[in-house]
Amino acid sequence: EAGVVQSPRYKIIEKKQPVAFWCNPISGHNTLYWYRQNLGQGPELLIRYENEEAVDDSQLPKDRFSAERLKGVDSTLKIQPAELGDSAVYLCASSRGGTGMNTEAFFGQGTRLTVV
Amino acid sequence: GQQVMQIPQYQHVQEGEDFTTYCNSSTTLSNIQWYKQRPGGHPVFLIQLVKSGEVKKQKRLTFQFGEAKKNSSLHITATQTTDVGTYFCAGPRLSFGAGTTVTVRA
Repeated sequence: EAGVVQSPRYKIIEKKQPVAFWCNPISGHNTLYWYRQNLGQGPELLIRYENEEAVDDSQLPKDRFSAERLKGVDSTLKIQPAELGDSAVYLCASSRGGTGMNTEAFFGQGTRLTVV
Repeated sequence: GQQVMQIPQYQHVQEGEDFTTYCNSSTTLSNIQWYKQRPGGHPVFLIQLVKSGEVKKQKRLTFQFGEAKKNSSLHITATQTTDVGTYFCAGPRLSFGAGTTVTVRA
């Protein structure tokens, strides 16, 4: 079974430029998460999808961040424009999902973003 | 989301010794999960606890969920170099704590 696939693995951009990250979850997983992880800190949840619906986006900085999961499968996270403070690892995870109880989440390798 | 706090932030352990890391919440948790992240890697699921007072073991790792379901602990016996990494707890909705980073002295 293929794991969670993220691309690109690394991205370097200049500030004020746009950037997009892509995630393909494990087949059959209804729940998809996007996290941001800064060095030495825990993953910070940005948005959680149940199928194509964003059910928790309270931590997503909506002035510059957007996400979509149009067909309830793969997802894209976008930052426009990027700021220096956005430099971090962006992790995608998926689980079989459902409301209420969590199930085991599988993480992708992440995209390391550097904004210069 | 529900906030979980972890202590200690860092744990330096002599190889062969035991240690415990703790996860605390101000509110009752329906469940708690533990993950391990090796340096340069991504979080990997270890266990999920659901029942009050639940104890689960994985070889040298013992996980416990408090009676009030507001705290949890991870105890590692006879620490090995393979235990190096950061251990995270996560509450419902997969909201992570800051983690305990473990280093091992050989």
